[in-house]
Amino acid sequence: GAVVSQHPSRVICKSGTSVKIECRSLDFQATTMFWYRQFPKQSLMLMATSNEGSKATYEQGVEKDKFLINHASLTLSTLTVTSAHPEDSSFYICSAPTLENSKTQYFGPGTRLLVL
Amino acid sequence: QKEVEQNSGPLSVPEGAIASLNCTYSDRVSQSFFWYRQYSGKSPELIMSIYSNGDKEDGRFTAQLNKASQYVSLLIRDSQPSDSATYLCAVISGGSNYKLTFGKGTLLTVNP
Repeated sequence: GAVVSQHPSRVICKSGTSVKIECRSLDFQATTMFWYRQFPKQSLMLMATSNEGSKATYEQGVEKDKFLINHASLTLSTLTVTSAHPEDSSFYICSAPTLENSKTQYFGPGTRLLVL
Repeated sequence: QKEVEQNSGPLSVPEGAIASLNCTYSDRVSQSFFWYRQYSGKSPELIMSIYSNGDKEDGRFTAQLNKASQYVSLLIRDSQPSDSATYLCAVISGGSNYKLTFGKGTLLTVNP
């Protein structure tokens, strides 16, 4: 299957700082990428849809000014958690559908964020 | 609210048995259905996709879809301890291009 990478895999930061997470499609181009968040013992919740060359689409209840998304190229989307607080601690996962089969999404390995 | 429901489990089966995982969805016009496996601390891994009514087999895995009953299932034959994981059912609802709605997942434990 297609390969999606994320960086960093794990980050610990102080409350009030900003954290940037990168999502890359390694062997295919992705005009759309998705950002999910998963709390312990919970399922994945879609946060936003990242669109190459245009603004991201946020799900209801997700603050667009807090979770900044930039999709500057066909292989890279970034999620910046601004002014992070302990309640933002979670497992952040990106995914991307391949252009050939847009129904199938491949997930990155995830980024575990801990805000102290 | 479009929902995907799964029994959270845990579901325990002995090694070599058939594990049966079930999922129901609320949006009648849903078209695309997926099963993902998620090991603890890892991201989901695609196992199967199914789009048409009936069965789809891939190795030890069989996905079954019944759109009239809004029901999709995953059978794992000859279960192995390495199959122990949380299995997530995901649906692309009608009117959406790609957006997946996930169930909460079923924790499967295969006992040696």
